[in-house]
Amino acid sequence: DAGITQSPRHKVTETGTPVTLRCHQTENHRYMYWYRQDPGHGLRLIHYSYGVKDTDKGEVSDGYSVSRSKTEDFLLTLESATSSQTSVYFCAIAGTGVAEAFFGQGTRLTVV
Amino acid sequence: GQQLNQSPQSMFIQEGEDVSMNCTSSSIFNTWLWYKQDPGEGPVLLIALYKAGELTSNGRLTAQFGITRKDSFLNISASIPSDVGIYFCAGQKGANFGNEKLTFGTGTRLTIIP
Repeated sequence: DAGITQSPRHKVTETGTPVTLRCHQTENHRYMYWYRQDPGHGLRLIHYSYGVKDTDKGEVSDGYSVSRSKTEDFLLTLESATSSQTSVYFCAIAGTGVAEAFFGQGTRLTVV
Repeated sequence: GQQLNQSPQSMFIQEGEDVSMNCTSSSIFNTWLWYKQDPGEGPVLLIALYKAGELTSNGRLTAQFGITRKDSFLNISASIPSDVGIYFCAGQKGANFGNEKLTFGTGTRLTIIP
């Protein structure tokens, strides 16, 4: 298994509160991604990073921000959680020169 | 955003049967990937395809990169209980790997009937 750890694995939070999800990798891969998975939508890209402090938006980035201060860590922050952000969030990593992305085990987030 | 059209959405088969599923797009992709997801887990990469017409096997799994670059196919031979799960295709349009976004299909859910 690719060395990807997501934390927490499960979280319940209240509407309006900030939430931060963490992705940690031990593969020293350059690229890191945050996806959300919802029924009927498959996996949709939220944000991605192509290096320390280098990030860009994906297709569903509204309401989310990210930071990458170290190669191994990629943080996803929900600035003010809403019920529409209830989802399963996956982190993925990819090396340079290849298309293959490897996924973490996911974080199930429930916003009540 | 664009999604890949994956079919069928679900399959109910008996153990030992062969399985075929496909993924189509209205635009060209330069890379096709196939993933499997078990309940409560993240997607696991099965096969990666980089050339049009390429046929690649991984055990009982065989995937093909369509010659038009707009589709890909996954076949599973002699299905077994551990094949149960959701299969996703993913495509990448560019050649700038890593910086290019992967576009995912909505998945094919495979169920094996006892």
